[in-house]
Amino acid sequence: GIQVEQSPPDLILQEGANSTLRCNFSDSVNNLQWFHQNPWGQLINLFYIPSGTKQNGRLSATTVATERYSLLYISSSQTTDSGVYFCAVDRRGSNYKLTFGKGTLLTVNP
Amino acid sequence: DARVTQTPRHKVTEMGQEVTMRCQPILGHNTVFWYRQTMMQGLELLAYFRNRAPLDDSGMPKDRFSAEMPDATLATLKIQPSEPRDSAVYFCASGFGPGAGGGAQHFGDGTRLSIL
Repeated sequence: GIQVEQSPPDLILQEGANSTLRCNFSDSVNNLQWFHQNPWGQLINLFYIPSGTKQNGRLSATTVATERYSLLYISSSQTTDSGVYFCAVDRRGSNYKLTFGKGTLLTVNP
Repeated sequence: DARVTQTPRHKVTEMGQEVTMRCQPILGHNTVFWYRQTMMQGLELLAYFRNRAPLDDSGMPKDRFSAEMPDATLATLKIQPSEPRDSAVYFCASGFGPGAGGGAQHFGDGTRLSIL
């Protein structure tokens, strides 16, 4: 199956700092999504981004499908950004089945 | 905002009991997924449906798990008999499926299951 690797595994920031999370994948994909799992366990879809760049407030994401990676940028981080960020991909030909990475645990301190 | 609704939110039961988890997908979504999350395995896809038809349940232990979608507004996941190793958070998600780029999957809040 497709391999999804996320880095770094853990990240600690002071409030106001910027960060970049990376997702590498081992095969061509139809679909790439970024999720945030908050401390209450809820999984929130941040971006559906199989290619290109999208922005939503302080968050933006870029996927370079030909080079098999995606980046999630968090600017001016806030304590509410804490949680685990997952990248998930749907390998081409897998019919919309997402494979998740192990996630990046982000802690934003006040 | 439209949301995926899961019930119950928490379930504690004894080994051997039947467990039924329910999911109401977002109205209009034609694809419904069941995932399981554990510390050891992370997020795993158990089964999914498109237009109520089961498409893939290869991630599900077939001897004790079953997934159904009796109508467009209800998906169920049953475990019978339950075992302690089934303890996990079970998520339901829905989306528009492949075609036109596939689209985002939206998750419910999960059912936290503990089997004693």
